[in-house]
Amino acid sequence: GQQLNQSPQSMFIQEGEDVSMNCTSSSIFNTWLWYKQEPGEGPVLLIALYKAGELTSNGRLTAQFGITRKDSFLNISASIPSDVGIYFCAGLNYGGSQGNLIFGKGTKLSVKP
Amino acid sequence: EAGVTQFPSHSVIEKGQTVTLRCDPISGHDNLYWYRRVMGKEIKFLLHFVKESKQDESGMPNNRFLAERTGGTYSTLKVQPAELEDSGVYFCASSARQGSLDGYTFGSGTRLTVV
Repeated sequence: GQQLNQSPQSMFIQEGEDVSMNCTSSSIFNTWLWYKQEPGEGPVLLIALYKAGELTSNGRLTAQFGITRKDSFLNISASIPSDVGIYFCAGLNYGGSQGNLIFGKGTKLSVKP
Repeated sequence: EAGVTQFPSHSVIEKGQTVTLRCDPISGHDNLYWYRRVMGKEIKFLLHFVKESKQDESGMPNNRFLAERTGGTYSTLKVQPAELEDSGVYFCASSARQGSLDGYTFGSGTRLTVV
């Protein structure tokens, strides 16, 4: 089945530093998504990417959909303590009967004040 | 608008017992999804309902898992009998349109621990 390889698995950074994480896939997705999960909560959508090469920002977050449609990265600039959580990439092939998301294993982010 | 609600938030049961998880989707959302995350692993798709019908149950691990959505509103996921490897966080999500991100929202999950 389709799998997403997400790296790094975890990151320990100092407040104010920039963060970068990425995801690769052996197969193509129509849509790439980045989610954040905080303890005791479900994943919350941060950014959705719909077109190959698309670069999208949401505040201090920036994500890009790779040209090959098989990869994506997420950057967080000037990290703050509330950025702590697990970040998941996910792929979606919308249309037809599919609606299930394929997730990476997550990147656990720890931010030291 | 109320979000996706899951109950219970936590459950600890012994191996061999039965547990039933419940998900209430956002009102009006025909599509309901169940996912599971085993510790340290990815969040994996289990199954997808469109109204009361199972659209895709390719992710269900085995026949100890039974999902229902009678009446097309809330859904239950029953594990019987539970095994140690069933431990994890079970997420439910709902969306307005099939195969679309339109309102695709996750609940807070049920953390299941089988001892």
